[in-house]
Amino acid sequence: DIQMTQSPSSLSASVGDRVTISCRSSQSIAYYLNWYQHKVGEAPKLLLSTASALQGGVPSRFSGSGSETDFTLTISGLQPEDFATYYCQQSYTTPYSFGQGTKLEIK
Amino acid sequence: QVQLVESGGGVVQPGRSLRLSCAASGFTFSSFGIHWVRQGPGKGLEWLAVITFDGNQKYYADSVKGRFSISRDNSMNMVYLQMNNVSSEDTAVYTCARDSRDGYKPRSALDIWGQGTRVTVSS
Repeated sequence: DIQMTQSPSSLSASVGDRVTISCRSSQSIAYYLNWYQHKVGEAPKLLLSTASALQGGVPSRFSGSGSETDFTLTISGLQPEDFATYYCQQSYTTPYSFGQGTKLEIK
Repeated sequence: QVQLVESGGGVVQPGRSLRLSCAASGFTFSSFGIHWVRQGPGKGLEWLAVITFDGNQKYYADSVKGRFSISRDNSMNMVYLQMNNVSSEDTAVYTCARDSRDGYKPRSALDIWGQGTRVTVSS
């Protein structure tokens, strides 16, 4: 099975900052990497699929990159509503797997 | 309005069974694969299972294989998760989610999520 590892596990930042979250897979997953935002009490929200495809309605300050085993989610110009937990997930092969999550907190 | 709504959660004793339901609306249900994902207390998201749009293929996480079973009724726009021989490790919020692409298109993301139903395994 493919293991997904995110770093860091938590991150403190200020409104307006640029932050980067990394995700690494235990084997190549091509570009089948998806990013989700999860706020407490809400359903997870798909932000990007296939590493870099921004979903409709998602602000352009969110971007993704990477391939094979190393991926990055970047948020340029943090907004108050961006403070949440972010998960990467591989959909290359079942069993699909999520990273452990990165909790983005206000500094 | 595209929507998934889970039900069937509650308190269940260890070793017993429980069936969760996921009701879909607002889209052509029979065209999309559906997943189950859970989040235990203080834990991250854990993918559990997927069923293809036609119900012909099902895949499971190792942690639930042989104990949980996913099924669907396209005439009712419903997906089910049958949970057998539960343990405390199965205590979590269970959520269903939709494939982002219709038809048989593996490697899709999960684009529509429900709010979840809480399962507590306790004697």
